[in-house]
Amino acid sequence: KNEVEQSPQNLTAQEGEFITINCSYSVGISALHWLQQHPGGGIVSLFMLSSGKKKHGRLIATINIQEKHSSLHITASHPRDSAVYICAVDLDSNYQLIWGAGTKLIIKP
Amino acid sequence: EAQVTQNPRYLITVTGKKLTVTCSQNMNHEYMSWYRQDPGLGLRQIYYSMNVEVTDKGDVPEGYKVSRKEKRNFPLILESPSPNQTSLYFCASSYASGSNEQFFGPGTRLTVL
Repeated sequence: KNEVEQSPQNLTAQEGEFITINCSYSVGISALHWLQQHPGGGIVSLFMLSSGKKKHGRLIATINIQEKHSSLHITASHPRDSAVYICAVDLDSNYQLIWGAGTKLIIKP
Repeated sequence: EAQVTQNPRYLITVTGKKLTVTCSQNMNHEYMSWYRQDPGLGLRQIYYSMNVEVTDKGDVPEGYKVSRKEKRNFPLILESPSPNQTSLYFCASSYASGSNEQFFGPGTRLTVL
């Protein structure tokens, strides 16, 4: 069983819809990352969080440490949000990140 | 501009011909790592380095070597490439370990014939 599970694997939505992508993990962590990979291949960091909630523009990331679960929300989605969104966790006392498989998001005009 | 650079961006080579993919960061980061990304498998770590002269194996190190002689550079070496090493490779860096923002290079698409 993967230590980091993302859902859904694929998501297609209409422009303007509210998007939620989920990430669940099974072990103790010190931090969780959300990253975005555009169709061109480049990967950028969106959020790093260890508790609570962070917001940047139309993107919101939340984490519930007790439930071992994080969500990435996109409000007023736009076709330029189409990308693969990847969750990764930094385990307690470990120098490696454990990666989710990614969620491919397509926003149709 | 803070960045991670990789070269080359694209490479087509033949089985057995040694190659090196360079990675350099200008942020004075201690932690650097190499990943490969294959369809349906997500990112898999090849090697990582906590600091100069400190390297360790990731999840898929077979067929690869790395070195960290200087803080800014972390080259990936394929001594004898094989077709199963055809992949998209990413170098990444962060201030220290995984509890810091990760910065990725643009990727190197390698094809081994």
